[in-house]
Amino acid sequence: QQQVKQSPQSLIVQKGGISIINCAYENTAFDYFPWYQQFPGKGPALLIAIRPDVSEKKEGRFTISFNKSAKQFSLHIMDSQPGDSATYFCAASKGLVSGAGSYQLTFGKGTKLSVIP
Amino acid sequence: EAQVTQNPRYLITVTGKKLTVTCSQNMNHEYMSWYRQDPGLGLRQIYYSMNVEVTDKGDVPEGYKVSRKEKRNFPLILESPSPNQTSLYFCASSLSWQGALYEQYFGPGTRLTVT
Repeated sequence: QQQVKQSPQSLIVQKGGISIINCAYENTAFDYFPWYQQFPGKGPALLIAIRPDVSEKKEGRFTISFNKSAKQFSLHIMDSQPGDSATYFCAASKGLVSGAGSYQLTFGKGTKLSVIP
Repeated sequence: EAQVTQNPRYLITVTGKKLTVTCSQNMNHEYMSWYRQDPGLGLRQIYYSMNVEVTDKGDVPEGYKVSRKEKRNFPLILESPSPNQTSLYFCASSLSWQGALYEQYFGPGTRLTVT
């Protein structure tokens, strides 16, 4: 059972365009949603994360939009640059709000983004 | 430099030959975890550890063992590797024992091929 569904699998965007990656989750207990960025030959690195008490979080050109009722969240990359070409993973975990503790991060399958000049 | 290191980075072995992939972090992190990354499947958690001597299974623990005798080290052991364990392995660590709620720092990866 895939708990976090990510789409598209791959994405090609022209330089300066907007890249949009979508994720949907099934478990309503999830309450922490990070995005990780992975460059070829490297380990993933945290890009940005959101908690369910906000609908949007922005850091520079990267924005997470969160729709709790639809159980969906998305990553928007504004003014996409060739240096943004990487694989992006959404993820989810639970226990943030309840304070119960959380040890498992469930990842989506990843989106390979290519930004062409 | 704060980092997570893994060794070896590349390994080709044969079915049934026991191997260990080491992972070490120098950030005094409490939480450590192992993931495997396969094309089309994303990252899947194998085992995690909330602190010394405290470990638990992730989503795909079959065929793997771990131990956490020291805070900085979290080796992954494959006692009898099989070809379906051919994969890219990542170790990660996090400051808090609630590792899934805080930033995880990933190592550079170990590419394992089992023939």
